[in-house]
Amino acid sequence: QQQVKQSPQSLIVQKGGISIINCAYENTAFDYFPWYQQFPGKGPALLIAIRPDVSEKKEGRFTISFNKSAKQFSLHIMDSQPGDSATYFCAASKEGTSYGKLTFGQGTILTVHP
Amino acid sequence: GAGVSQSPRYKVAKRGQDVALRCDPISGHVSLFWYQQALGQGPEFLTYFQNEAQLDKSGLPSDRFFAERPEGSVSTLKIQRTQQEDSAVYLCASRQNTEAFFGQGTRLTVV
Repeated sequence: QQQVKQSPQSLIVQKGGISIINCAYENTAFDYFPWYQQFPGKGPALLIAIRPDVSEKKEGRFTISFNKSAKQFSLHIMDSQPGDSATYFCAASKEGTSYGKLTFGQGTILTVHP
Repeated sequence: GAGVSQSPRYKVAKRGQDVALRCDPISGHVSLFWYQQALGQGPEFLTYFQNEAQLDKSGLPSDRFFAERPEGSVSTLKIQRTQQEDSAVYLCASRQNTEAFFGQGTRLTVV
């Protein structure tokens, strides 16, 4: 079953623009929400993560916005650069008593044009 | 090593052949995961080890899939009698605190 839904499937942005990727989850037991970046031929790499006790987290050009009541979270990439072109995955897991098994979204292919 | 290492990087198997995929996690990482990533999809959980104990194998698609980590370090994912639907990238991840570190994956193509 699809527990984490991600959109859009692909996104094209001009250099300097803002890229926004959205995710929605179903399982209210999830308590850790990371975003991963994957380049072709590479494994996913952690970009930024958030816990549901905060509504926003910013690291450099990357910001996660989290809406617990709507069970949605999004990734914003400010000042998008051609080097940001990659596939982005949102994910969710249950920490605490669980061991952090990740449930991933379907992925968004981001292309940033120079 | 510096990161999670997987081998081989690419594997072509004839349908019905058995394959073994290896994962060398980051030294000292207790937790190890295997994920399967179909083309154009997000990774899907296969199995989890804590040291040498396989605590969750709920994601293994069939009894043709078997994983082990006998000494709590290197892990092997074995697929018996491969089928075309097994074609995918198999990712290994080891974990420190909340962060999972992924290897580059093994791309398995069953012909």
